[in-house]
Amino acid sequence: AQSVTQLDSHVSVSEGTPVLLRCNYSSSYSPSLFWYVQHPNKGLQLLLKYTSAATLVKGINGFEAEFKKSETSFHLTKPSAHMSDAAEYFCVVEMNTGFQKLVFGTGTRLLVSP
Amino acid sequence: DAGVIQSPRHEVTEMGQEVTLRCKPISGHDYLFWYRQTMMRGLELLIYFNNNVPIDDSGMPEDRFSAKMPNASFSTLKIQPSEPRDSAVYFCASSSPLGGPHAFFGQGTRLTVV
Repeated sequence: AQSVTQLDSHVSVSEGTPVLLRCNYSSSYSPSLFWYVQHPNKGLQLLLKYTSAATLVKGINGFEAEFKKSETSFHLTKPSAHMSDAAEYFCVVEMNTGFQKLVFGTGTRLLVSP
Repeated sequence: DAGVIQSPRHEVTEMGQEVTLRCKPISGHDYLFWYRQTMMRGLELLIYFNNNVPIDDSGMPEDRFSAKMPNASFSTLKIQPSEPRDSAVYFCASSSPLGGPHAFFGQGTRLTVV
């Protein structure tokens, strides 16, 4: 079965420093992977998606993620954090059911300090 | 398009009362998902529909929960009778294979059962 593991429940960075949110996946096939962001009291917004095209995926707000099959990883990065990036981030894998069923990780809360 | 629309945004009800949550998916999307988010369990898929037909309701916690999709533009999630442990944020999402495998989420309904 497909699953994702987010390795950190909380990540703290200073404004202007790089962001790294880690995600490992488990899948018996080449999966579709996503990162969603949830700001406080808001719904979930798609940041970026990987669907077996380019392994380096660029998303909104300067975020990007690299699919590494050898490491079964799909880490989310950003060169320079902004205060507005403070939110909860979810790594997500699509189930291979043919029905677009998504499996969410447990989430990583990103804290950005001035 | 206005995106996925959920109502109400907030609901406070007394234990034992019936609660109905509503969702209008994005026009043309043929998949609709109901999720529940709690601090303890994170994001859980409750049920999803394809072309108005329930495909997988294995995530529905118990018989007190029911969901319907009478047409392509409307779905409800009903809890009867409600209990305090049902307090959570309930998200509706929709997707279409033509638009890619990711889902678009509504703003959520924050349910509090007292």
